[in-house]
Amino acid sequence: GAGVSQSPSNKVTEKGKDVELRCDPISGHTALYWYRQRLGQGLEFLIYFQGNSAPDKSGLPSDRFSAERTGESVSTLTIQRTQQEDSAVYLCASSSSGRLYEQYFGPGTRLTVT
Amino acid sequence: KQEVTQIPAALSVPEGENLVLNCSFTDSAIYNLQWFRQDPGKGLTSLLLIQSSQREQTSGRLNASLDKSSGRSTLYIAASQPGDSATYLCAVENTDKLIFGTGTRLQVFP
Repeated sequence: GAGVSQSPSNKVTEKGKDVELRCDPISGHTALYWYRQRLGQGLEFLIYFQGNSAPDKSGLPSDRFSAERTGESVSTLTIQRTQQEDSAVYLCASSSSGRLYEQYFGPGTRLTVT
Repeated sequence: KQEVTQIPAALSVPEGENLVLNCSFTDSAIYNLQWFRQDPGKGLTSLLLIQSSQREQTSGRLNASLDKSSGRSTLYIAASQPGDSATYLCAVENTDKLIFGTGTRLQVFP
């Protein structure tokens, strides 16, 4: 079946612009996660959605970052007024029901801020 | 604060060798531990997931063990092949998110 998909695969933007990254989780997966991987560093948790519960935003690095999810489907990660330090690969993952279940990752969006 | 460490950071071996990759974590209150591989320019592929109540999981040439009380996991790769070359990441889940190690970069040469 279809896996997690993300778009765009690559995004180059100028410093100060806003960007939107999209994630389509596996159908039926109630949990959705966003992670970030900066060059030479490990993956960092950003935000977690589980069903209709309030999202866990504890990993968002600043108020320039926000994310939304429509029901149990598509999610959009928005970065406002991008900075060069936002350059990273942004990975989305989904799982059947959150904890205890395997997380399946999308291919990521490589964001470059010039 | 949970911290995950992986040793070695990099490993280069001839094909056919049996390998052990190590992962340690500081907080034993985890729900599960997951091993992934990451290929250059690609996303993560899940290899094995071990629930906190389990001691090991096996898939083909891969075997992962978990000793939660000591905060350690090992990934054993039998009869390594050039196609195993990738970065291997371990991640522990607590409070509904994965905390990742920085990975072991593996190169298997013919």
